[in-house]
Parts: sequence; C-alpha cells; structure tokens
Amino acid sequence: GQQLNQSPQSMFIQEGEDVSMNCTSSSIFNTWLWYKQDPGEGPVLLIALYKAGELTSNGRLTAQFGITRKDSFLNISASIPSDVGIYFCAGHPGGYQKVTFGTGTKLQVIP
Amino acid sequence: GAVVSQHPSRVICKSGTSVKIECRSLDFQATTMFWYRQFPKQSLMLMATSNEGSKATYEQGVEKDKFLINHASLTLSTLTVTSAHPEDSSFYICSFEDEGTDTQYFGPGTRLTVL
Repeated sequence: GQQLNQSPQSMFIQEGEDVSMNCTSSSIFNTWLWYKQDPGEGPVLLIALYKAGELTSNGRLTAQFGITRKDSFLNISASIPSDVGIYFCAGHPGGYQKVTFGTGTKLQVIP
Repeated sequence: GAVVSQHPSRVICKSGTSVKIECRSLDFQATTMFWYRQFPKQSLMLMATSNEGSKATYEQGVEKDKFLINHASLTLSTLTVTSAHPEDSSFYICSFEDEGTDTQYFGPGTRLTVL
C-alpha cells in the first residue's frame, strides 16, 4: 500500500545530541501519529497530533503537525541510549479511510 | 493510551499446522481493529481490517482463506494462520483504533516461525 516518505532512514548520534526526523506526504492528513518500535515489540504511541500547526511535547519529544497537513516532524532532545529503536510516523486522512505508515527511521545512540 | 495484549508472544510450529493468535484490548472497546505483518527491517504491512460483527476486509494479495480473522467482540480479535508454511514466518501485530481520535494502539506482536 501507500507509504509516507520518512527521513532519514537511519542515523547514528552521540548521546546527548538532539535528533530530528520528518515525514512528508503527497496527500493531506487529519491526524499525524508518531510511534517507537523496539526490537521484537509492537509500536508504542509517542505523540498524536490532530490539528494543523499543532506542536505537542511528551517529555524530551516534540512533534509538529505541518501547516500544509502534508508533513510532520519529530524532535528528540538530549538523546539517551534507551532512545534507540525505530520511529514510525503515520497519517490518517479521517473518516473510514486507513492510516498510512512511514518507512521508519532507525535511531542508534552512541554512549 | 490504550493497552492491547497479544497471545502468544512467539510460536514455533510445523509446516501444515494452523496457528491462532489472540488480540485483546484491555481497557477500551473498539469496533475496528487491524492485523499487520512485518518483515525484518521493514514497515508495517496491513493485512486486513475487521469490524466487530461483520466480515473482515482483506488487502490485495492477502488470502482470506489462509488468514482467518474473527472479530468476536469489541475487545477480542483472533487471527488464524491456516496450513502454515515457512514463508508465513513473520511478526504479526494487531491494533485497535480509537475511532474518536483515529489513533491506533498496537499489541506487542507475535513472532511466528514455521519449520
């Protein structure tokens, strides 16, 4: 099925650094969701965004719903080793349509 | 967020046997839920959408007679992989959708290995 363009695909960063990743789509969404998946586990919801322009934080994580409704970004500040994992964005057009998942960003943190 | 459980967490079976995976929502009810399949280093692939009380809708290329879905109640759905083959080995994940917010909450996944 359709997938969002998520970048970067992977990144190595030093512990303590800030991280930024984003998703772009050719179609608009009513909802943007960000998930983290650890190896062998299901995705866990980090942040949900429901309004264009919305900026929401969850601890060291901040995500924004792009004003065009076609993009979203996730920032992680002061990364720590347990931030390691794969981060997925997801967009929902609303109504009875299905959610579309990004291709994932694999984050590795060097202690 | 909602809590979703999956059982078993991992299963190994012989080729030709059937395997049932249960997905339960522990703290909210949902009429819509989803089953995904995930291959290593890839994103989630939607297999089917099920609505409580009606037949599941399968994505293109997913055999409905092979992957039987029963959405028994607002808190329970099962996926049965029938006559499993080694190529069915994968990570299967369910999710329930909070229709008020279009937000999906995922189970912890089931690792299926078919020998």
